[in-house]
Amino acid sequence: EIVLTQSPGTLSLSPGERATLYCRASQSVTSSYLAWYQQKPGQAPRLLMYGASSRAIGIPDRFSGRGSGTDFILTISRLEPEDFAVYYCQQYGGSAWTFGQGTKVEIK
Amino acid sequence: QVQLVQSGAEVKKPGASVKVSCKASGYTFTSYDINWVRQATGQGLEWMGWINPKSGKTGYAQKFQGRVTITRNTSINTAYMELSSLRSEDTAVYYCASRGSGESWFDPWGQGTLVTVSS
Repeated sequence: EIVLTQSPGTLSLSPGERATLYCRASQSVTSSYLAWYQQKPGQAPRLLMYGASSRAIGIPDRFSGRGSGTDFILTISRLEPEDFAVYYCQQYGGSAWTFGQGTKVEIK
Repeated sequence: QVQLVQSGAEVKKPGASVKVSCKASGYTFTSYDINWVRQATGQGLEWMGWINPKSGKTGYAQKFQGRVTITRNTSINTAYMELSSLRSEDTAVYYCASRGSGESWFDPWGQGTLVTVSS
């Protein structure tokens, strides 16, 4: 099973600042199989990015993703109040899906 | 629009089973796989398994093999996840999520179903 490790666990930032979230895999992940989700309290996760760098429908362009192999990054260029949430990376490999443990982006 | 609506909260005793439903609307049910993911309170997301509604083919996470069964009823566009031999650690919100053919990401998700296991 591929293990995804996200860092940092918590990111304390102010609105307007840039957020950089990391997702490291225990072995190489096919980029097309790497996705990011946003989850707010009491809500289901929402797809943000797929294929490592493609934004889902309706996702603003302040969100971007990149990476390959074992290292992937989600960047929020300028934090809006609605962006404070928990973010998860997800991969598919070996007939199974795994998620990272999440990064909480909180208001500083 | 594509929507997944899940059944309501459940309270079960240890050792019992629970069956959660996920009704799809807004698209052809047999065109997209359904996955199940759970989340314990304050914890991360854990993938449990999937079903192809057209063929009925399933796949399960190793952790849940032998304890989880995912089925579907195509006549009512509904998928089910049944978890048996419940223990307190199974207390969680259970989500269903759609996945397109050939795709690896989950979108959209159901609203979640809280399953509480308590004596």
